[in-house]
Amino acid sequence: EAGVTQFPSHSVIEKGQTVTLRCDPISGHDNLYWYRRVMGKEIKFLLHFVKESKQDESGMPNNRFLAERTGGTYSTLKVQPAELEDSGVYFCASRPTGGNSPLHFGNGTRLTVT
Amino acid sequence: DAKTTQPPSMDCAEGRAANLPCNHSTISGNEYVYWYRQIHSQGPQYIIHGLKNNETNEMASLIITEDRKSSTLILPHATLRDTAVYYCIVRVYNSNYQLIWGAGTKLIIKP
Repeated sequence: EAGVTQFPSHSVIEKGQTVTLRCDPISGHDNLYWYRRVMGKEIKFLLHFVKESKQDESGMPNNRFLAERTGGTYSTLKVQPAELEDSGVYFCASRPTGGNSPLHFGNGTRLTVT
Repeated sequence: DAKTTQPPSMDCAEGRAANLPCNHSTISGNEYVYWYRQIHSQGPQYIIHGLKNNETNEMASLIITEDRKSSTLILPHATLRDTAVYYCIVRVYNSNYQLIWGAGTKLIIKP
């Protein structure tokens, strides 16, 4: 089966610009998660979708971040306007509903804001 | 904050067993222990998880102490490709999977 894919793998933008990250979860996985690691820090939870609904967005840092999952398939994470402190690696993960199944992660998008 | 404590780094000779310790002294009865690893430039990869019994899969073994306050991940025959950062995480069963990550253990396998 195809794994979780993220696009782009790298993005370099200037402060104040907008960037949209995309995540394609494993087919059939209703649960989709966004995590990020900013420079020198631990990986932090951002939010969780169940199908198209936001189940938990308590980790979203501020209202410059907008996540969507229209149709319950792929998800996008938009940062607008980007700030220097948004630089880091953004990971997407998915898992099926039910049980204690583990998360499957993508390889992340490395975002650099200059 | 992470509920686990791990040594920051460890070395292991190729072909030997790598034993990675984790302290989770405040673990609750309904919390599982999960292990993930992150190989450079890749996303985190699931390894194994357990509640109170020892577990084994094709990648590793997980030994949890009887009081559940600590555990050890064992890679039986480490290879150079096992060089990675290993994360020990506790998680409530059926929670929203808001995993709380620590700094992990940087495991270096040496030839």
